[in-house]
Amino acid sequence: EAGVAQSPRYKIIEKRQSVAFWCNPISGHATLYWYQQILGQGPKLLIQFQNNGVVDDSQLPKDRFSAERLKGVDSTLKIQPAKLEDSAVYLCASSYIGVKYGNTIYFGEGSWLTVV
Amino acid sequence: GNSVTQMEGPVTLSEEAFLTINCTYTATGYPSLFWYVQYPGEGLQLLLKATKADDKGSNKGFEATYRKETTSFHLEKGSVQVSDSAVYFCALRTNYGQNFVFGPGTRLSVLP
Repeated sequence: EAGVAQSPRYKIIEKRQSVAFWCNPISGHATLYWYQQILGQGPKLLIQFQNNGVVDDSQLPKDRFSAERLKGVDSTLKIQPAKLEDSAVYLCASSYIGVKYGNTIYFGEGSWLTVV
Repeated sequence: GNSVTQMEGPVTLSEEAFLTINCTYTATGYPSLFWYVQYPGEGLQLLLKATKADDKGSNKGFEATYRKETTSFHLEKGSVQVSDSAVYFCALRTNYGQNFVFGPGTRLSVLP
């Protein structure tokens, strides 16, 4: 089956500019996650969707970050305006709902953002 | 809150050496435990998992046993290869909330 698709893979922007990342989860996966991974650190959850509703966005910097998942499938993560400290890899992941499917989540290859 | 602690890297080994990467966790309830691997320039891939105490996860020669009494999930491999060079992340997931919590990662370099 196809994996989690993300685009763009790489983006370089100047501070105060805006950027958007797109994610298409594995077909049938109701839960979608956006993680931020700063170099040398583990991934940190930004936002979790279940279908098109937000389950957890407690660590999303809402003054500059926004995310949506229209129709419960694709998702977009936007940063506006970007700061230097936003330089990171933005990982999208997805999973089934329900214990019978196990607890595994599947990651995309990530979108690498450099803010200069 | 839930957290994961891993041994600091980088870890540098010669090919065919024995590998151990320590992982301990703090969690409410009964989490599932995971090891993910990240090769250079790629996303995270599931390496192995265990969903209850005393379970052993294994894949590609790697193993880890869920030890509830010591809240640990150490990763081991008997003979590493150059191709195992990557960053390894220990993670937990509690059924409540279903969020994953990752450790900081341990970078492994295997020299020929």
